[in-house]
Amino acid sequence: QKEVEQNSGPLSVPEGAIASLNCTYSDRGSQSFFWYRQYSGKSPELIMSIYSNGDKEDGRFTAQLNKASQYVSLLIRDSQPSDSATYLCAVRLGTNAGKSTFGDGTTLTVKP
Amino acid sequence: GAVVSQHPSWVICKSGTSVKIECRSLDFQATTMFWYRQFPKQSLMLMATSNEGSKATYEQGVEKDKFLINHASLTLSTLTVTSAHPEDSSFYICSAPPTQGAIGGYTFGSGTRLTVV
Repeated sequence: QKEVEQNSGPLSVPEGAIASLNCTYSDRGSQSFFWYRQYSGKSPELIMSIYSNGDKEDGRFTAQLNKASQYVSLLIRDSQPSDSATYLCAVRLGTNAGKSTFGDGTTLTVKP
Repeated sequence: GAVVSQHPSWVICKSGTSVKIECRSLDFQATTMFWYRQFPKQSLMLMATSNEGSKATYEQGVEKDKFLINHASLTLSTLTVTSAHPEDSSFYICSAPPTQGAIGGYTFGSGTRLTVV
């Protein structure tokens, strides 16, 4: 079992729809959870971080964390073609420093 | 916010030569730097962790004599690919964790596309 698993893609949604990206992790001691967006040929950029159970909203993005189920998700509302990218879920044991474990990524395509 | 400057952004080299990639933290001190490699359509693969003032820690299967990592100062970490071969062609990315006491995700450099011919 991989330490961090993401739902297999690619994921395609029409413009304006909600895109839902899922991630599960194996280490119950994990405390920090991140979503990165990576455009083709570019390096990842951080879009969301979440540390406690529940929802965290930032603009069109909502991260959801359920530590009991070892599950973290990212919802993108009103998806735009510019959201088309690969989304990486990352998990870390501590709250700062230390190594993060990345999932394989889910490629999202938003069709106009 | 924190910025990591990575150079060069792309490089083409001949087989058997060495290539050095630099990552500088511009507005903070990075005591740790993570080095990743990413092949097309694959995820990030952690190669090694560099720490200022001490030897780098390499992940299993990564040749430390081939991928030389140096963390010379609190703002500079370098990766040298020695005796490069075509199979070393990849996208190399450095990233720094949050500064001590801070929380948050990594700050990534812009990446270096290495092509060995």
